[in-house]
Amino acid sequence: DTAVSQTPKYLVTQMGNDKSIKCEQNLGHDTMYWYKQDSKKFLKIMFSYNNKELIINETVPNRFSPKSPDKAHLNLHINSLELGDSAVYFCASSPGPTDTQYFGPGTRLTVL
Amino acid sequence: GENVEQHPSTLSVQEGDSAVIKCTYSDSASNYFPWYKQELGKGPQLIIDIRSNVGEKKDQRIAVTLNKTAKHFSLHITETQPEDSAVYFCAASDGGSARQLTFGSGTQLTVLP
Repeated sequence: DTAVSQTPKYLVTQMGNDKSIKCEQNLGHDTMYWYKQDSKKFLKIMFSYNNKELIINETVPNRFSPKSPDKAHLNLHINSLELGDSAVYFCASSPGPTDTQYFGPGTRLTVL
Repeated sequence: GENVEQHPSTLSVQEGDSAVIKCTYSDSASNYFPWYKQELGKGPQLIIDIRSNVGEKKDQRIAVTLNKTAKHFSLHITETQPEDSAVYFCAASDGGSARQLTFGSGTQLTVLP
């Protein structure tokens, strides 16, 4: 299936831990994104990469570090997890930075 | 930066009736307005989008209208069905070199059988 996929789907961890979420797209898109959806379902962009280069970097704590090893992958590493990091994180991709965005299924992160 | 307001936050309609969700945006430079549907436990899925050079776009039971002067756009769903029940998000983008979408707060649509 052609899609945006994320792993894991659920992630439960303790405060202070470091964790990573992986995203892959096989759509041949050049641009990838990370969004955070809070408990009130509000969606906000965190980062965007185009051809492996960072093009959008919203006001996000520097504990969050995206990494794009190639155009098909954009991973999100989070250091020193805090309770407020609990949310659903969505990866998305688009053919280019001004094109329609397609979302992955999300990763529900719970910090205890 | 862009600010998008969406109303109502919840909407219940009888099956077969129409549903309308409205959004306003603040940045007059915005020129791309997608609508996403999010079902429980899934990611947002694009259902329709409109660019600022058109005033209306239809796709079967779904239509979107855009009023650039008033800076508002609306989603219209006709002949609603139970499977239309979901959270709907509007978004706006300034179409710059990096399309940064600003989302509305979402509308929980419930279609009652």
